[in-house]
Amino acid sequence: KNQVEQSPQSLIILEGKNCTLQCNYTVSPFSNLRWYKQDTGRGPVSLTIMTFSENTKSNGRYTATLDADTKQSSLHITASQLSDSASYICVVSQISGTYKYIFGTGTRLKVLA
Amino acid sequence: DSGVTQTPKHLITATGQRVTLRCSPRSGDLSVYWYQQSLDQGLQFLIQYYNGEERAKGNILERFSAQQFPDLHSELNLSSLELGDSALYFCASSLRGNTGNTGELFFGEGSRLTVL
Repeated sequence: KNQVEQSPQSLIILEGKNCTLQCNYTVSPFSNLRWYKQDTGRGPVSLTIMTFSENTKSNGRYTATLDADTKQSSLHITASQLSDSASYICVVSQISGTYKYIFGTGTRLKVLA
Repeated sequence: DSGVTQTPKHLITATGQRVTLRCSPRSGDLSVYWYQQSLDQGLQFLIQYYNGEERAKGNILERFSAQQFPDLHSELNLSSLELGDSALYFCASSLRGNTGNTGELFFGEGSRLTVL
């Protein structure tokens, strides 16, 4: 069964600290993996995309990694800011004519001053 | 701005009523996806349309239906509403899965439905 699991479910950190969010998937075939950021009450926005051949990709203070062998991805946030408080959703895509998306349930991050 | 437009932004109605949510995808996007997000829950896939035709179904109730029109906008119809239908409903669009297209999903800002 195609599944995407994220951990932890929620996380509280102090401003300025780093954190790492995890995503494990059992999706096959695999096309790509994206991390989305969803602010409360808003639509999700893509942060990074990882394809099969990519190991690491950065977007500012966000760095995503992908291990296609173990089917694991992580999202590392450096020097957290209050505006990083949001849900982070891991989404794995399959392609068969059109895209099919398998969503994780997200990690809710709260950054405290 | 993702380029995906959803209306209305907020909607309050009573149990048993029927509502229609509207979505205009990004210019050029042929696929439209509908998702439901209840309070503090993840996104639940409801249904996908591609170029006017239903392509995939998720956990969509029989009381709910959707369609995509020739101009590619889509509508989600929710009928016989229950308290538990209160949620954020998101529409997302993407290009078809052509080579070189990574299939990014672009989300609208959602329609918040409150059923009293």
